[in-house]
Amino acid sequence: GQNIDQPTEMTATEGAIVQINCTYQTSGFNGLFWYQQHAGEAPTFLSYNVLDGLEEKGRFSSFLSRSKGYSYLLLKELQMKDSASYLCALLDRGSTLGRLYFGRGTQLTVWP
Amino acid sequence: DVKVTQSSRYLVKRTGEKVFLECVQDMDHENMFWYRQDPGLGLRLIYFSYDVKMKEKGDIPEGYSVSREKKERFSLILESASTNQTSMYLCASSFTQGEAFFGQGTRLTVV
Repeated sequence: GQNIDQPTEMTATEGAIVQINCTYQTSGFNGLFWYQQHAGEAPTFLSYNVLDGLEEKGRFSSFLSRSKGYSYLLLKELQMKDSASYLCALLDRGSTLGRLYFGRGTQLTVWP
Repeated sequence: DVKVTQSSRYLVKRTGEKVFLECVQDMDHENMFWYRQDPGLGLRLIYFSYDVKMKEKGDIPEGYSVSREKKERFSLILESASTNQTSMYLCASSFTQGEAFFGQGTRLTVV
């Protein structure tokens, strides 16, 4: 399996920038996903990193460093609707099954 | 738009009942998954399937079985429901090595 670690909770204010970190210990993986999950709803896909570096998608960016074993999700210009749980997930390597290993999620609260 | 549909949003069942949770996807995805999600424990994989009639155990398969007779449908079966199976159940589907798309979830309560 994979050992994935994320902070349990974070808080920030509207308009600010927040960085959610994800560290992992694994023998190998194909890529790293970030998902957003609002309370009582299903997770929705945010971003995917295969290679090292930054992937930008509007207010959201995700970074991966395989050599350092970590990723982060950067949220800019925070809005109240960004209050949600953010899940980091590794896509299994050497497998055609597409199995995802999820971290326990980081609950982000955005205050006005 | 990818659609993954779970048969029920809320279910209440009695201890010992056989429970069926159904999931249907409309994107011709090869892979389908069943997770349960509990506070503080995150998403835990119960079973997954990479093709019709193929299945693999996930991290917590005990007390569950699955069926995939058609590519678009993946069923989770609780043979004899117990109170510790009270949880949110999430179905997902994906292409091989692609992102997973989730259903809306079924909140199951076993009394």
